[in-house]
Amino acid sequence: AQTVTQSQPEMSVQEAETVTLSCTYDTSENNYYLFWYKQPPSRQMILVIRQEAYKQQNATENRFSVNFQKAAKSFSLKISDSQLGDTAMYFCAFMKASGGSNYKLTFGKGTLLTVNP
Amino acid sequence: NAGVTQTPKFRILKIGQSMTLQCAQDMNHNYMYWYRQDPGMGLKLIYYSVGAGITDKGEVPNGYNVSRSTTEDFPLRLELAAPSQTSVYFCASRETDRGRARAQPQHFGDGTRLSIL
Repeated sequence: AQTVTQSQPEMSVQEAETVTLSCTYDTSENNYYLFWYKQPPSRQMILVIRQEAYKQQNATENRFSVNFQKAAKSFSLKISDSQLGDTAMYFCAFMKASGGSNYKLTFGKGTLLTVNP
Repeated sequence: NAGVTQTPKFRILKIGQSMTLQCAQDMNHNYMYWYRQDPGMGLKLIYYSVGAGITDKGEVPNGYNVSRSTTEDFPLRLELAAPSQTSVYFCASRETDRGRARAQPQHFGDGTRLSIL
């Protein structure tokens, strides 16, 4: 079974600064996907960024980027130029992608990020 | 552009009552999922379906039932509501992978907040 660990229950950052959220995972699979989802106070689950394990290049989406270290099983999220609207709970999630997968997500417990003005 | 629609958004039940949480998606996705999110926690998988007529248990299926008679709908049934089932429930759907393409994420509904008193 896969596990996902987010070791930072809460973090805060000043507006316009950069913050990094940590995520590690444990799996024996070689083919998988990793995701960061954002959950603002509205409670919606919003996809932030995705990474395929077979790709060495780190994914980027505008101000969001990841540092994917496959050997270390680490998948951190960097948010640059933080904005007040980034205040949310952030979840790291693992998805097995091998043949016969049901593509379910295994979530970490989340990191509550607060962006201060 | 409806995506995944969950109804109701809020509900209060008495212990022992039953109810059905509705979930519908208009994206023709084969994969559908039900998760629950307890306070301060990540999401845990209750049930999932890989296509019409096929369902299977997730991590926390006890006290719930599902059916998948059509591709669009995936209702979750609580037969005898218990206080331990107080939670926020999320339905999600996912497109089938096509070869070694970009990781397909799960798309989430807005959630149903359920309180059992």
